[in-house]
Amino acid sequence: AQTVTQSQPEMSVQEAETVTLSCTYDTSENNYYLFWYKQPPSRQMILVIRQEAYKQQNATENRFSVNFQKAAKSFSLKISDSQLGDTAMYFCALEGAQKLVFGQGTRLTINP
Amino acid sequence: EPEVTQTPSHQVTQMGQEVILRCVPISNHLYFYWYRQILGQKVEFLVSFYNNEISEKSEIFDDQFSVERPDGSNFTLKIRSTKLEDSAMYFCASTMGRRGILNTEAFFGQGTRLTVV
Repeated sequence: AQTVTQSQPEMSVQEAETVTLSCTYDTSENNYYLFWYKQPPSRQMILVIRQEAYKQQNATENRFSVNFQKAAKSFSLKISDSQLGDTAMYFCALEGAQKLVFGQGTRLTINP
Repeated sequence: EPEVTQTPSHQVTQMGQEVILRCVPISNHLYFYWYRQILGQKVEFLVSFYNNEISEKSEIFDDQFSVERPDGSNFTLKIRSTKLEDSAMYFCASTMGRRGILNTEAFFGQGTRLTVV
């Protein structure tokens, strides 16, 4: 079975600070994809960043980057220069077979 | 930019009634999904659909649920006899292809909030 665990239910930082959200996962697959989704109060699911497991280089998208540690099955999200608009739930997800398996989510609040 | 569209955005229904949630996936996508998120909980997979048949379904997707692609554009989720515990946000998603073959990024709709009273 594939599982995704986010151990931080809530986090809060000041605007412009850097914050790291943790995610660990378990899978027996050798090739897979990992994602971070953002869910703002509107509750829409928005893809933030993706990582292909066979790529060693960590993915980056502007202020968002990941630290992918395949051996440790860890996939953390770093948000640099955080902005008020980053306030949302963040879900880590593992793409296994033909579906996404989500973590429990981390509620991130950026304070002015 | 192409997007997945879901209607309605919010539906209130009485327990025992049938509901149909509608989705229009991105036009050149081939795989379609329904996910559910009970308030305050994580997003859970319900079902995947490809080539006009169910590819995989979860334990949640029991006989009360069905999916259909009645025409070339719509993808629907039907709940035959709703229960209070079906109250949740339902997300439709679509992908172009399978993992390892084509781009597998899942595009999500904005969700339908179903409230069963």
